Amino acid sequence: QSVLTQPPSVSGAPGQRVTISCTGSSSNIGAGYDVHWYQQLPGTAPKLLIYGNSNRPSGVPDRFSGSKSGTSASLAITGLQAEDEADYYCQSYDSSWVFGGGTKLTVL
Amino acid sequence: QVQLVESGGGVVQPGGSLRLSCAASGFTFSSYGMHWVRQAPGKGLEWVAFIRYDGSNKYYADSVKGRFTISRDNSKNTLYLQMNSLRAEDTAVYYCAKDPMPVVPAAMPDYFDYWGQGTLVTVSS
Repeated sequence: QSVLTQPPSVSGAPGQRVTISCTGSSSNIGAGYDVHWYQQLPGTAPKLLIYGNSNRPSGVPDRFSGSKSGTSASLAITGLQAEDEADYYCQSYDSSWVFGGGTKLTVL
Repeated sequence: QVQLVESGGGVVQPGGSLRLSCAASGFTFSSYGMHWVRQAPGKGLEWVAFIRYDGSNKYYADSVKGRFTISRDNSKNTLYLQMNSLRAEDTAVYYCAKDPMPVVPAAMPDYFDYWGQGTLVTVSS
């Protein structure tokens, strides 16, 4: 049972927009801690996708965006592409570093 | 460019020990806190341990406290994870990951900006 809750899977057709939610509580996201997102392509290490709720590291396309409100956060991907098929994890802090259970994105 | 290369994984019997290494390059290793994060087969990510840039403070997940020890050798740009009393549930890919902010005096609730490729630890008889 992860501290942060994500849907196990989402899917969308190429070109569509999908969102992945990350639900926490008053001891983590709701306490004001930032939410960060990672993309893990099949068979590879996680890669930082969004940091500080809504900031993209250099090289991350602006098709990826993040937001946070209250005790939840979300990752939005617009103009879905086949290469976006991956596992996505949210991460925050709750007395230690905590992750969501991960969401598998399938591009139909 | 930042590079983190883990090594030392393998198969070990329950109750056994293993030491993982993470060789860092492309940044001033001695200025950054470092983490170990693991991922059991087919499962999600779990933070394991953190060490301050100068090694003076260390933090552990409850699941490994008292069994694992994180350390670093800044003269060799290398991070370590000594794992003792290993259990089947410790089976995972272990990643080292870098803290984004330099010379931070305490453990900050931050993110992991660079990750290594991981090394697989299998605990089985």
